[in-house]
Amino acid sequence: EAGVAQSPRYKIIEKRQSVAFWCNPISGHATLYWYQQILGQGPKLLIQFQNNGVVDDSQLPKDRFSAERLKGVDSTLKIQPAKLEDSAVYLCASSFTSDSYEQYFGPGTRLTVT
Amino acid sequence: AQKITQTQPGMFVQEKEAVTLDCTYDTSDQSYGLFWYKQPSSGEMIFLIYQGSYDEQNATEGRYSLNFQKARKSANLVISASQLGDSAMYFCAMRGGAYSGAGSYQLTFGKGTKLSVIP
Repeated sequence: EAGVAQSPRYKIIEKRQSVAFWCNPISGHATLYWYQQILGQGPKLLIQFQNNGVVDDSQLPKDRFSAERLKGVDSTLKIQPAKLEDSAVYLCASSFTSDSYEQYFGPGTRLTVT
Repeated sequence: AQKITQTQPGMFVQEKEAVTLDCTYDTSDQSYGLFWYKQPSSGEMIFLIYQGSYDEQNATEGRYSLNFQKARKSANLVISASQLGDSAMYFCAMRGGAYSGAGSYQLTFGKGTKLSVIP
């Protein structure tokens, strides 16, 4: 079974530029999560999708971050404009349903904002 | 609000020895779940073990066991017979067990413990 795929693995941008990350969850998984992991901390949930609908985006900085999962499969997370404090690893995870306790994580995208 | 505390930033263990990684939690939920994840240097989070708050027996998965002490609100991870490949960051996490609106199934993570296994 293929795991959660993410691209790119690394990205370096200057502040005020925009960036987009892509995630392809495990086939058949209805629930998709985006987490932000700042160096030295645990992951923090940014947004949770159930199929193509948003379940929870309470911790997403909506003035600069946006995410979509148009066909209920792949998802993109965008930051525009980026700030220095957005430097982090962005992890995508998926689970079979929203109440499945096991979440499967991708390798993450390491973003550096200079 | 849920909170996870991991007080050990780093731990060392000799190969083949057992090690305990500490985790305490705080929640007002009656039903909740506790998790441990491993994060190697490659970056992905690997699920290790799960304990439900109503489970009477401590969870075990191979060399991993979860020492669940509900009254003390602790969920320590025990790794037996440590291997060099166990060197990684380890995160304790929890979530509510009953859906009560947006965010209730959200995983809350601690800051992690870096485990180094010495040959």
